[in-house]
Amino acid sequence: SQQGEEDPQALSIQEGENATMNCSYKTSINNLQWYRQNSGRGLVHLILIRSNEREKHSGRLRVTLDTSKKSSSLLITASRAADTASYFCATDAGSSASKIIFGSGTRLSIRP
Amino acid sequence: NAGVTQTPKFQVLKTGQSMTLQCAQDMNHNSMYWYRQDPGMGLRLIYYSASEGTTDKGEVPNGYNVSRLNKREFSLRLESAAPSQTSVYFCASSEAMTGGSGNTIYFGEGSWLTVV
Repeated sequence: SQQGEEDPQALSIQEGENATMNCSYKTSINNLQWYRQNSGRGLVHLILIRSNEREKHSGRLRVTLDTSKKSSSLLITASRAADTASYFCATDAGSSASKIIFGSGTRLSIRP
Repeated sequence: NAGVTQTPKFQVLKTGQSMTLQCAQDMNHNSMYWYRQDPGMGLRLIYYSASEGTTDKGEVPNGYNVSRLNKREFSLRLESAAPSQTSVYFCASSEAMTGGSGNTIYFGEGSWLTVV
């Protein structure tokens, strides 16, 4: 089974609203990453948060990490039509920094 | 700067045929990966190579073999293709520094494989 599970599986919001998606994982990690995938394309890295960090910002993105709950959230503020995509969290396997496992993803749709 | 290049982009195979997906990166990365993505699903790790000369199984290795030919190249082989292997395959690479440091994964554009 996959290390990370995103919630919700799908999210539809109005342009300008904020979008929040969550990721839960099972084992200890060194870091957690979020990626975006436009339909039919490869994944693009958005942001990385290390296990000793609790919050990180990058532009309109805000990521939080709660290692005690083994969960992370990605907040996209002031959403735009171009944010329509699938979003995935990815974690290493703790014991192996190179073994990167992806979650099942959240499909985000932004309504104009 | 090409990044991660994988070939072929599209392939149709008959059940039982074999084929090799090729992947090369020009970023001098240590680690390389092969993932598969089924429609509407997340990525599942097939095999990865933490560094040149090493390969390890991921989440779904059955039916696949890999070769880390050199630091640049990492190939994925299907010895006897099955319809269940119909999927989009992504090659990826990262610096993957030791000691648990974080790393960003860079993906190729994907290879669409259909097994009939």
